[in-house]
Amino acid sequence: GQQVMQIPQYQHVQEGEDFTTYCNSSTTLSNIQWYKQRPGGHPVFLIQLVKSGEVKKQKRLTFQFGEAKKNSSLHITATQTTDVGTYFCAALIDQGAQKLVFGQGTRLTINP
Amino acid sequence: SAVISQKPSRDICQRGTSLTIQCQVDSQVTMMFWYRQQPGQSLTLIATANQGSEATYESGFVIDKFPISRPNLTFSTLTVSNMSPEDSSIYLCSVEAALGGAFFGQGTRLTVV
Repeated sequence: GQQVMQIPQYQHVQEGEDFTTYCNSSTTLSNIQWYKQRPGGHPVFLIQLVKSGEVKKQKRLTFQFGEAKKNSSLHITATQTTDVGTYFCAALIDQGAQKLVFGQGTRLTINP
Repeated sequence: SAVISQKPSRDICQRGTSLTIQCQVDSQVTMMFWYRQQPGQSLTLIATANQGSEATYESGFVIDKFPISRPNLTFSTLTVSNMSPEDSSIYLCSVEAALGGAFFGQGTRLTVV
């Protein structure tokens, strides 16, 4: 079935450093969504990208959707301890009915 | 935004028993989704529940193991049947947001011993 590959699996940074996670698909995606899951919590929706080459910003977070709509990235500038958690990309797939296919997630830990 | 109440939040169950997880949404929704998240892993869709029809199960999940009810547009249950330690996971219900994305319940952390 449709797969969305996400790297890296883990990332440990010093507080203040930047962080990026990448999501790739072998097929063109209609949209890509990003979620954050804090330790012990549930996934929380961050943003949805639908247009080729789209870039959206939320404070220190920058989300990009590739020109070919096959890849996406989430970049956090100057990480803070509140950024700790696992970041998932998810593609909305239409196989008769729409459903979300999640990437493997990138677990971010931060050294204060 | 939708508010989703999921319970129980956690449970420890004996193997061979069954657990029913409830999900209540504060607004009417057409589809509700049930996911499994194994320890340290990503989310995997179990099934999609529509009101008034049988749930649609993903590959690797069957109705006998994970029966789902959807009696109305605000409520759904997922039962994990004849549990084994391999069923120890977080189970999450979810609904679509009107403007994109999904809302998740708080999750049910199941440990089977």
